[in-house]
Amino acid sequence: NAGVTQTPKFRILKIGQSMTLQCAQDMNHNYMYWYRQDPGMGLKLIYYSVGAGITDKGEVPNGYNVSRSTTEDFPLRLELAAPSQTSVYFCASSFGTVGSYEQYFGPGTRLTVT
Amino acid sequence: DQQVKQNSPSLSVQEGRISILNCDYTNSMFDYFLWYKKYPAEGPTFLISISSIKDKNEDGRFTVFLNKSAKHLSLHIVPSQPGDSAVYFCAASIDRDDKIIFGKGTRLHILP
Repeated sequence: NAGVTQTPKFRILKIGQSMTLQCAQDMNHNYMYWYRQDPGMGLKLIYYSVGAGITDKGEVPNGYNVSRSTTEDFPLRLELAAPSQTSVYFCASSFGTVGSYEQYFGPGTRLTVT
Repeated sequence: DQQVKQNSPSLSVQEGRISILNCDYTNSMFDYFLWYKKYPAEGPTFLISISSIKDKNEDGRFTVFLNKSAKHLSLHIVPSQPGDSAVYFCAASIDRDDKIIFGKGTRLHILP
């Protein structure tokens, strides 16, 4: 089991460029999440999905889009990158309702927008 | 408005002693609490959790205590080991909700 994998590990974007952060899990989890972590801060939820075809906004969704066409994959799209999107992005997955099950995190993608 | 607060950004503890990490929360609807541990350049990993129907949960060297009236929880690590040096995040959720709220984290340094 690879668990939760994320690509790329690092990326530098110019302002206005766009990119997709990839996330995949092989644990057959229904729930998947995208977080960002800014320096000295906790994790903030961007988007989440409770199953294929279903997505919902988290705390900080502006500037991002997601899709969930399969159980395994949950890509995060950045359109028109801005310096405020410089952060470390973590993807996570869990079996079911977060109140009952812990989330498993990927290793993160460090993104710099200049 | 921060709903989950970890007021100590860092903590240094001698190897072999007890480490106590604290967390306060403001939302009385929270009824499930988790601690995550994070090493540099890695994602967080789940450590231990506690439901609001309990006031203590123990797993090996790790014990979490919950004081609902004070809206406070703490993580005790006994004895502290060098591999415990990491950032610890406190998190909380409302059961059956899809989201958890994280604190800012406390960096624990275990001194030789």
